[in-house]
Amino acid sequence: EAQVTQNPRYLITVTGKKLTVTCSQNMNHEYMSWYRQDPGLGLRQIYYSMNVEVTDKGDVPEGYKVSRKEKRNFPLILESPSPNQTSLYFCASSPRTSGGQETQYFGPGTRLLVL
Amino acid sequence: SQQGEEDPQALSIQEGENATMNCSYKTSINNLQWYRQNSGRGLVHLILIRSNEREKHSGRLRVTLDTSKKSSSLLITASRAADTASYFCATDGAGGTSYGKLTFGQGTILTVHP
Repeated sequence: EAQVTQNPRYLITVTGKKLTVTCSQNMNHEYMSWYRQDPGLGLRQIYYSMNVEVTDKGDVPEGYKVSRKEKRNFPLILESPSPNQTSLYFCASSPRTSGGQETQYFGPGTRLLVL
Repeated sequence: SQQGEEDPQALSIQEGENATMNCSYKTSINNLQWYRQNSGRGLVHLILIRSNEREKHSGRLRVTLDTSKKSSSLLITASRAADTASYFCATDGAGGTSYGKLTFGQGTILTVHP
């Protein structure tokens, strides 16, 4: 089954404790992206990747890192989490075309609480 | 600046009625997409309309795009209680360094009463 998976689905942590949220897709998509969703603010893009070893900042990259060493995986790293990073995080992937953004397939979300 | 903004923020209708949601954006786009989200879950793609298209249909969904007004609308006909969800438009930036950035609006919360 074609899908985007995220782990963990729920995470409670404390300020400053490094964490990684994994994202994996099995559709051989070139493009992957991370978003955070907060009440009243909608979805905001954190980082995206056009292909292996190619990443770029979205609208809210501060406090986050990403890497794209393999096509299928795009982990989100919080080196020193802070309470303002408490949010619902989504990973998404899509095939890359030359005609703009195509349909994005979303993972189920990771709900993060930073104390 | 916010690229896609939906209107209204919330919409409450009876089953069988039509629901119309609007999206406005600020810059040139290649594509505009509509997504649906059930409470707290992942987004599901509904329909994509390209900048050179004016109208597109998919089942009970009808999307229009007016690039001169930088706006789009999503019409759900003969709504059902199962259509209750949040609906988001998403736009990409046309050309150059904005490729790859997808901007979502804040969404319209649709409630369909049985």
